[in-house]
Amino acid sequence: RKEVEQDPGPFNVPEGATVAFNCTYSNSASQSFFWYRQDCRKEPKLLMSVYSSGNEDGRFTAQLNRASQYISLLIRDSKLSDSATYLCVVSPNSGAGSYQLTFGKGTKLSVIP
Amino acid sequence: SQTIHQWPATLVQPVGSPLSLECTVEGTSNPNLYWYRQAAGRGLQLLFYSVGIGQISSEVPQNLSASRPQDRQFILSSKKLLLSDSGFYLCAWSVRGVRAFFGQGTRLTVV
Repeated sequence: RKEVEQDPGPFNVPEGATVAFNCTYSNSASQSFFWYRQDCRKEPKLLMSVYSSGNEDGRFTAQLNRASQYISLLIRDSKLSDSATYLCVVSPNSGAGSYQLTFGKGTKLSVIP
Repeated sequence: SQTIHQWPATLVQPVGSPLSLECTVEGTSNPNLYWYRQAAGRGLQLLFYSVGIGQISSEVPQNLSASRPQDRQFILSSKKLLLSDSGFYLCAWSVRGVRAFFGQGTRLTVV
């Protein structure tokens, strides 16, 4: 089983739609979770951290399910500018000395006018 | 605020030539530093990470090497490039392994 797995997509959705991505991870000791966004031919940029209780940032909601070892990202009211590849990132611990950030291969989203 | 500089943005090199990519971080001390490679249509592959000056860990054996001569400087090198070394090289930094921030990347084409 791969360490971090994502559906590569592409997800083609109309403007205004709600879309959700899931990501599963294999290391049960994982402690830190993030979603990154990567535009074509650009560097990944942090979109949001994922907290145990779930968290929301505007149109974006991230959730963590430790029992099933997956995290999710929900995007409401999709905009054309949301078109990008979304990367799931997992880290084994949150303390000093941690350095293993494992990236999923990403899910491609295309928002269509 | 913290910033990360990576250069050059684009590089075309012949097979067998050497490589040196440099990355510097400003505004933070003792960061964890990373070199990633992203091949066309593929995910990010961790090449090297460093938790301190002179401390380098390699994730994937290959003809690349990394060095950290100063706290906020990370260098990726090769003595002889292969065609398979083509890709998008990204330097990143984090503090305590949380929330990595990336440089703008170097797109390397080996011809």
